[in-house]
Amino acid sequence: GENVEQHPSTLSVQEGDSAVIKCTYSDSASNYFPWYKQELGKRPQLIIDIRSNVGEKKDQRIAVTLNKTAKHFSLHITETQPEDSAVYFCAASRASYDKVIFGPGTSLSVIP
Amino acid sequence: DTAVSQTPKYLVTQMGNDKSIKCEQNLGHDTMYWYKQDSKKFLKIMFSYNNKELIINETVPNRFSPKSPDKAHLNLHINSLELGDSAVYFCASSQEPGNGYTFGSGTRLTVV
Repeated sequence: GENVEQHPSTLSVQEGDSAVIKCTYSDSASNYFPWYKQELGKRPQLIIDIRSNVGEKKDQRIAVTLNKTAKHFSLHITETQPEDSAVYFCAASRASYDKVIFGPGTSLSVIP
Repeated sequence: DTAVSQTPKYLVTQMGNDKSIKCEQNLGHDTMYWYKQDSKKFLKIMFSYNNKELIINETVPNRFSPKSPDKAHLNLHINSLELGDSAVYFCASSQEPGNGYTFGSGTRLTVV
């Protein structure tokens, strides 16, 4: 089955700097890669996703990139703000067929 | 108007008791899930239903029994609760399996 790894497990950045979180997946049939943000005590919320027919997607300060050959995908947050502090989960699935498998999470702290 | 609602939000109970958690979604989604989030924040799938049919049943003790009376509801009943069952349980829904999830607010279960 699918296995998703995520690095780093914790990340601390100064406000205004960029943050990058990297993930790898094992199942070459996976074709859907969502990212979730979970603030302390809250539910995970979908912030951006990418499908395997696209190499990059951007939404304001957030961007995701996908390298299908290497089975890597990454989340990039620019101009970080204190409200970006949260746990971020990458995930992978075979859309329409199977469950979403989550990475172990990255705890991001943005220092004012 | 909450999209995915879970009750109760908190549940404290003694070992050996039986308890239920309820979930309802008003998004018109066909697929619903139960995930368990442990103390290290790892999100692990337990069950998935598509249009009231069980499609995923991970290696979960048979003390856990899901029930989907219709596609908008997915409940979780747990018999003979153990200390290790303490966790946050999230319900989620998606339009079809493996696509973007909307999570409920979670149920924090504490077994004492």
